[in-house]
Amino acid sequence: DAKTTQPPSMDCAEGRAANLPCNHSTISGNEYVYWYRQIHSQGPQYIIHGLKNNETNEMASLIITEDRKSSTLILPHATLRDTAVYYCIVINDYKLSFGAGTTVTVRA
Amino acid sequence: EPEVTQTPSHQVTQMGQEVILRCVPISNHLYFYWYRQILGQKVEFLVSFYNNEISEKSEIFDDRFSVERPDGSNFTLKIRSTKLEDSAMYFCASTPGAGKRTEAFFGQGTRLTVV
Repeated sequence: DAKTTQPPSMDCAEGRAANLPCNHSTISGNEYVYWYRQIHSQGPQYIIHGLKNNETNEMASLIITEDRKSSTLILPHATLRDTAVYYCIVINDYKLSFGAGTTVTVRA
Repeated sequence: EPEVTQTPSHQVTQMGQEVILRCVPISNHLYFYWYRQILGQKVEFLVSFYNNEISEKSEIFDDRFSVERPDGSNFTLKIRSTKLEDSAMYFCASTPGAGKRTEAFFGQGTRLTVV
């Protein structure tokens, strides 16, 4: 029942922006895009979510394309502590369906 | 910052025994969940709970599994007759409301090892 497609892995240099893509071409009008991350088997951590407008908080920015078929999570200044698996999840209720996510490795 | 707490952090049990995993959700949250993650695999939904009832459960949540909110603060997952394949990280989560506009707060998990 995967609704999103993410690259399996990516590297990022410390201090640089990390841009994580996600495709959700079958998203429907009332479904939200959520991003969570999981650092080394700890509990998943909420990052950000959005419906159609771009969103920003203290952790990240979320850019959603106008047709809503894809989005990009931006970590503006990646640190070593941002090394984690990042999950893009499309939901229309409360239940989270985690895929394999993108393993992001931030390198010094 | 409020957080979801889970105890114990690691539980080892013999196959066939019963285990209880405990969670203290964030105090003003109304919806509670259990997820599990087998080593190296995806995080999987087990069950959601609201107003002292199960709202939804997955196929994994068979009749060996049960949940309870015994005292208004704790939220427990009980597994009877444990099997080797129950070995996993179990995550508790809570949300203030239902629906697609609320973020879930997860605990740090209980690692269950069935031997």
